[in-house]
Amino acid sequence: GAVVSQHPSRVICKSGTSVKIECRSLDFQATTMFWYRQFPKQSLMLMATSNEGSKATYEQGVEKDKFLINHASLTLSTLTVTSAHPEDSSFYICSARDTWLLQETQYFGPGTRLLVL
Amino acid sequence: EDKVVQSPLSLVVHEGDTVTLNCSYEVTNFRSLLWYKQEKKAPTFLFMLTSSGIEKKSGRLSSILDKKELSSILNITATQTGDSAIYLCAVEAGGAQKLVFGQGTRLTINP
Repeated sequence: GAVVSQHPSRVICKSGTSVKIECRSLDFQATTMFWYRQFPKQSLMLMATSNEGSKATYEQGVEKDKFLINHASLTLSTLTVTSAHPEDSSFYICSARDTWLLQETQYFGPGTRLLVL
Repeated sequence: EDKVVQSPLSLVVHEGDTVTLNCSYEVTNFRSLLWYKQEKKAPTFLFMLTSSGIEKKSGRLSSILDKKELSSILNITATQTGDSAIYLCAVEAGGAQKLVFGQGTRLTINP
């Protein structure tokens, strides 16, 4: 199947700093990528839909000024957690679907574990 | 509000047993239902179901969708310890391609 990468795989930062997470589709183009968050022992919750060349669509309850999303190219979306706090510590996962294969499923990146001290 | 519910939430069986995991959904404009397996990292894709009554099979795993009952099951036969994982059901609904996930079933296979 298609490959989606995320970087970094894990990050520890101090409270108040900003952290950028990259999501790349390695062998296909994705006009739309999705960002999820997963807290321990819970399921994945969609945070936002990232659209290439336009603004992201955020789910209810997700602060767009805190979680900045940029989808600058057909293979890259970034999520920046601004002024991170300990409660932002979570597992962040992106997914992407091949733009040209509309019936294909979404492929997930390996995830990024964020720990805010 | 779109909702996906999985049961059981947790299941412990012995190696060699057969298990059935359940997923039910209430969504607007259903497009597809997907099953994923999650170990320590991100979910890996198992099946995508769009048509009712057609079984998808991959080795010891199989899944079927019942659109009338708004549900799906995932069967695993002759379970192995490597099948231990969280199994996630997700439904793609509406026009936005986004997935709504169930809570997951934590499956533990004891030797």
